[in-house]
Amino acid sequence: QSVLTQPPSVSAAPGQKVTISCSGSSSNIGNNFVSWYQQLPGTAPKLLIYENNKRPSEIPDRFSGSKSGTSATLAITGLQTGDEADYFCGTWESSVRLFGTGTKVTIL
Amino acid sequence: QVQLQESGPGLVKPSQTLSLTCAVSGDSIRSGGKYWSWIRQHPGKGLEWIGYIYYSGSTYHNPSLKSRVIIVGDTSKNQFSLRLSSVTAADTAVYYCAREVIPYNWFDPWGQGTLVTVSS
Repeated sequence: QSVLTQPPSVSAAPGQKVTISCSGSSSNIGNNFVSWYQQLPGTAPKLLIYENNKRPSEIPDRFSGSKSGTSATLAITGLQTGDEADYFCGTWESSVRLFGTGTKVTIL
Repeated sequence: QVQLQESGPGLVKPSQTLSLTCAVSGDSIRSGGKYWSWIRQHPGKGLEWIGYIYYSGSTYHNPSLKSRVIIVGDTSKNQFSLRLSSVTAADTAVYYCAREVIPYNWFDPWGQGTLVTVSS
């Protein structure tokens, strides 16, 4: 069972904004960087955000990350139908890599 | 660009050893600055980190898998392999290999994944 808790699902209409939280502890998020991954249906996870708030060059600026204390947040603005996917946060604790429970984003 | 590709049997019998290989192109497992990792995803579930191998040959794996995990590298073929012993149905999952960037431990890219079913 993951120690990084995410809401099971969030939803919004196209063009709107969603935020996904990732809650941990001082042993993991509180002292380490957070990354975020997008998993489209039937595909492998893809890196969206690294080092809390940095985006790979191919990721649009509609995706942004932040961290405060023992929680991290992924925000997606200007929702598109292609954003419908599962999203996972990631960090580590005592050298063990951890992933969040995952959040399904549904476009209404 | 860097690409990873998993390969191996899709069906393993209980109590046997699961063996998978990840072929790497566009990067070298002999170069530092990254770990070469295995991650799995149980059907309909979240991600579980299995372990990694470093260019030096050192490895580390998730303690939750106890001593069932062995990860080895083959520099001549630029690939690395996972061996998971004494498998049970609970090891049925999609297995991914991925490059983990040091020092801040983010995974990019990932292989496409391969489903391994444990069943008699």
